[in-house]
Amino acid sequence: DTAVSQTPKYLVTQMGNDKSIKCEQNLGHDTMYWYKQDSKKFLKIMFSYNNKELIINETVPNRFSPKSPDKAHLNLHINSLELGDSAVYFCASSQGRTAVIRELFFGEGSRLTVL
Amino acid sequence: AQKVTQAQTEISVVEKEDVTLDCVYETRDTTYYLFWYKQPPSGELVFLIRRNSFDEQNEISGRYSWNFQKSTSSFNFTITASQVVDSAVYFCALSQKLTGGGNKLTFGTGTQLKVEL
Repeated sequence: DTAVSQTPKYLVTQMGNDKSIKCEQNLGHDTMYWYKQDSKKFLKIMFSYNNKELIINETVPNRFSPKSPDKAHLNLHINSLELGDSAVYFCASSQGRTAVIRELFFGEGSRLTVL
Repeated sequence: AQKVTQAQTEISVVEKEDVTLDCVYETRDTTYYLFWYKQPPSGELVFLIRRNSFDEQNEISGRYSWNFQKSTSSFNFTITASQVVDSAVYFCALSQKLTGGGNKLTFGTGTQLKVEL
């Protein structure tokens, strides 16, 4: 059983299109995240949701819209795709409401290529 | 602002050599957590260790060991008797707890480790 699963794993699309990446976790965590890894392997947080509530939005263009229908799912919709959006997008989850900071569990990543 | 520096972009070693990956961090928080993640060629991110700022004991797990030194803001990672399967990008990360729940990981730029026969 995959703890954090993302679909699709690969996505190739044309500039200007709209695409979505879905993420689901079966760990019972209440916090989920989207991270972007660029071509130089740099990982940067984009969004975080805790119990369906947005708690981090890291100056991401508003073409990116996360949606969390419930605490086990966090989807990422991207409008009007640009070449610079090409990257690997990682979904992650962690136990949020604890006294200590817990590790993040990452999905396998979704590689988006914009042509 | 939080910052993590991994000055070594790429390291190449021969199998069975020991190798140390450096990590230096900056934070104004008194309570924080440090992490190491491994990203093998297959691309997934694998959690290796979590360490809180109040625990400066070194940790050993098999061939892996970690040296946390608060005085120098460093959290270095050593692989003893490296193996080809250790070839990966290794990320150091610093965490900041959020009032709304969860935490925000700030990653270093990663160190690509290549272990050759």
